[in-house]
Amino acid sequence: GAVVSQHPSWVICKSGTSVKIECRSLDFQATTMFWYRQFPKQSLMLMATSNEGSKATYEQGVEKDKFLINHASLTLSTLTVTSAHPEDSSFYICSARKGSYSNQPQHFGDGTRLSIL
Amino acid sequence: GQQLNQSPQSMFIQEGEDVSMNCTSSSIFNTWLWYKQDPGEGPVLLIALYKAGELTSNGRLTAQFGITRKDSFLNISASIPSDVGIYFCAGRRYGGSQGNLIFGKGTKLSVKP
Repeated sequence: GAVVSQHPSWVICKSGTSVKIECRSLDFQATTMFWYRQFPKQSLMLMATSNEGSKATYEQGVEKDKFLINHASLTLSTLTVTSAHPEDSSFYICSARKGSYSNQPQHFGDGTRLSIL
Repeated sequence: GQQLNQSPQSMFIQEGEDVSMNCTSSSIFNTWLWYKQDPGEGPVLLIALYKAGELTSNGRLTAQFGITRKDSFLNISASIPSDVGIYFCAGRRYGGSQGNLIFGKGTKLSVKP
């Protein structure tokens, strides 16, 4: 199997709060994990690529100081939304790639619904 | 930027009917993936394709990697109510950064019992 667990599944917090989202590969090691953002009725937008033991690669237009990514082990990557504001409210989804080849499929977590009041 | 054109955008069908959706690109892809996403959940991998012309089945689902390497289709036979959801194609370009996926905009499938 290839199970990816994402936690928490939903968060409601006040503006200005920092929120950490965890992404774990439960039954495999993932050298590379990905973080996506999805707006209602839209497709997935890649935010950043997280590599174990190195700095994340951010897509154009994504603020790296706003969305902090840490990939400290082969089974865990975290996304921290710093000083979150209402416009950061969205559905955040992580994925993990099983194996070391870049053409291996990505397996997704169940997402985190973030609502900033 | 690179885009995948996925069609149709939505489909309303009767239970038991067959379904077909496709994705096209202006660039050559070396991998095509099909995912299904239910509301409030992450996408679930349905089928992965790695070679031009490859035809792969997963139960009632069949997907093909186009010969031109610029397209892929997904067929669902004898649809049932639990097939309802949003289906996304995703592809990986030759030379793409770290093997990143590019997603289509999704096909929303509704099945009437």
